Amino acid sequence: GAGVSQTPSNKVTEKGKYVELRCDPISGHTALYWYRQSLGQGPEFLIYFQGTGAADDSGLPNDRFFAVRPEGSVSTLKIQRTERGDSAVYLCASSLLGRAVNEQFFGPGTRLTVL
Amino acid sequence: GIQVEQSPPDLILQEGANSTLRCNFSDSVNNLQWFHQNPWGQLINLFYIPSGTKQNGRLSATTVATERYSLLYISSSQTTDSGVYFCAVERESGNTGKLIFGQGTTLQVKP
Repeated sequence: GAGVSQTPSNKVTEKGKYVELRCDPISGHTALYWYRQSLGQGPEFLIYFQGTGAADDSGLPNDRFFAVRPEGSVSTLKIQRTERGDSAVYLCASSLLGRAVNEQFFGPGTRLTVL
Repeated sequence: GIQVEQSPPDLILQEGANSTLRCNFSDSVNNLQWFHQNPWGQLINLFYIPSGTKQNGRLSATTVATERYSLLYISSSQTTDSGVYFCAVERESGNTGKLIFGQGTTLQVKP
């Protein structure tokens, strides 16, 4: 079966522009997570969805970052007025949260470069 | 918040050697996962192991939850084992499943 997919794989943008990053979770997974990984670091949590609602957005760094999951499947991470510090790999994961085993599976990531 | 510390930070091995990677965490956990991040950046699931011992081929892992550590064993290492190994935990008192990652162990296996 298909794993988590993310598009685009690479995104280069200019400072101040708006970007959207897309995540397709594993079919049937109710929980979806976004993480951000800077060079040489482990991934850091951004936001978690259970179904359509953002159940925990405590990791979003500021109000330029926003994410949606309107139908409980695909999610889009939106970044307004991008800054050079936003450059990182953005990872998406999904899981069957609520079951006894909450194992998360990650997508290949989107590498965002802000010039 | 919960702290996750991995050691060693870097490890260089000759092909065929064995190694042990360690993950210490500062609070009780519901979930602990080990990942291998390959050179292309993909996080590959190795083990879901909040407690106990599991084995998968040349890899095995043990988590002693009461003492707040986990170990990943790699036996007869191969060059394809190179990459970064991450331990990630979910705090027991949390209910969102969000993972907190360690800084990783960078493994280089030389032929």
